[in-house]
Amino acid sequence: GAVVSQHPSRVICKSGTSVKIECRSLDFQATTMFWYRQFPKKSLMLMATSNEGSKATYEQGVEKDKFLINHASLTLSTLTVTSAHPEDSSFYICSARDSATSGDTGELFFGEGSRLTVL
Amino acid sequence: GQNIDQPTEMTATEGAIVQINCTYQTSGFNGLFWYQQHAGEAPTFLSYNVLDGLEEKGRFSSFLSRSKGYSYLLLKELQMKDSASYLCAVMDSNYQLIWGAGTKLIIKP
Repeated sequence: GAVVSQHPSRVICKSGTSVKIECRSLDFQATTMFWYRQFPKKSLMLMATSNEGSKATYEQGVEKDKFLINHASLTLSTLTVTSAHPEDSSFYICSARDSATSGDTGELFFGEGSRLTVL
Repeated sequence: GQNIDQPTEMTATEGAIVQINCTYQTSGFNGLFWYQQHAGEAPTFLSYNVLDGLEEKGRFSSFLSRSKGYSYLLLKELQMKDSASYLCAVMDSNYQLIWGAGTKLIIKP
């Protein structure tokens, strides 16, 4: 099956710094990628939909200036948590759909997730 | 509003069978997904149902009734490695996934 790679898997940073998380589709092209945040014992919360070559679509309540998303190519989307604070500590997960084989109703392939800890 | 309901936690015995239910109310329906998620890891795809009926895939089966807004995931011959959270997700009319909170399945020897 299709593979989505996410990096880094774990990151610890100081409050006030920025952290970039990468999401790559390794063997397929993804015009759309999704970024989620998951709190302990909670379900996935969609943060934004990342569209290749255009601006991301953010869900209500998600700060665009806080969580910068760039989808510069068909295989790479990045999430940058700017001026991170302890409350931003969470598990961030990306996913992508292989548009060529699955269309709009196909399964999502998830990255491994990135655990961010802000001290 | 849109809502996905599934039990918070279930316990079953190794070798047994367990059924995890999911009910949903969404604006439109373009399929229902089941994902497995082990603690600290990303979800992995288990099944996709868009038509009524039972889909069987090895030890796992998934059932859908669109008229009842109901699905279940059936796990047979339970193994200790099946201990995980099972997430039900429905794709609405905008092709957005609406996620349930997940069911934590505990397998006992």
